[in-house]
Amino acid sequence: GENVEQHPSTLSVQEGDSAVIKCTYSDSASNYFPWYKQELGKRPQLIIDIRSNVGEKKDQRIAVTLNKTAKHFSLHITETQPEDSAVYFCAASNSGAGSYQLTFGKGTKLSVIP
Amino acid sequence: DTGVSQNPRHKITKRGQNVTFRCDPISEHNRLYWYRQTLGQGPEFLTYFQNEAQLEKSRLLSDRFSAERPKGSFSTLEIQRTEQGDSAMYLCASSPETGAGYFGPGTRLTVT
Repeated sequence: GENVEQHPSTLSVQEGDSAVIKCTYSDSASNYFPWYKQELGKRPQLIIDIRSNVGEKKDQRIAVTLNKTAKHFSLHITETQPEDSAVYFCAASNSGAGSYQLTFGKGTKLSVIP
Repeated sequence: DTGVSQNPRHKITKRGQNVTFRCDPISEHNRLYWYRQTLGQGPEFLTYFQNEAQLEKSRLLSDRFSAERPKGSFSTLEIQRTEQGDSAMYLCASSPETGAGYFGPGTRLTVT
């Protein structure tokens, strides 16, 4: 089955700096890669996703890149703000069978220091 | 609130008791997923429904766990003979034809 590794497990940045979180996956059939943000005690929220036919996707201060050959994908947050502080999870899915069941990484706790 | 809802939000039960959780997905979503999340970990997939059909089950889902989605609307997850290791947050997610799921607030289960 799929295995997703996520690094780092914790990340502290100064407000205004950029944050980068990296994930690797094992199953070359995986073709869909969402990122979720989870604040303490709250549900995971989808923030951005990318499919395997795209190398990069951007939404305001958030971007995701995908390297299918290396089986790496990364989340980039620019101009970080204190409200970006949360746990971020990457995930991978093989949607070929019609299911978007996700295999998650262990999460990165991002702290943005004002 | 038109998002995914789950009930109850918290459940405390004694070991050996049965518990049942309910998930109401976003109404136009035909796909429904159950995940389990323990402290400091990402959610782990348990099972998946497309409409009323349960199409996938994780090996994590022991025979004490059963899920249903009658009529393809709400879903229930039942755990029989609960064990302390079942203590976790149980998350439901629903999705449209394509794309990742939108999660509900979860049911936090504590088995004493």
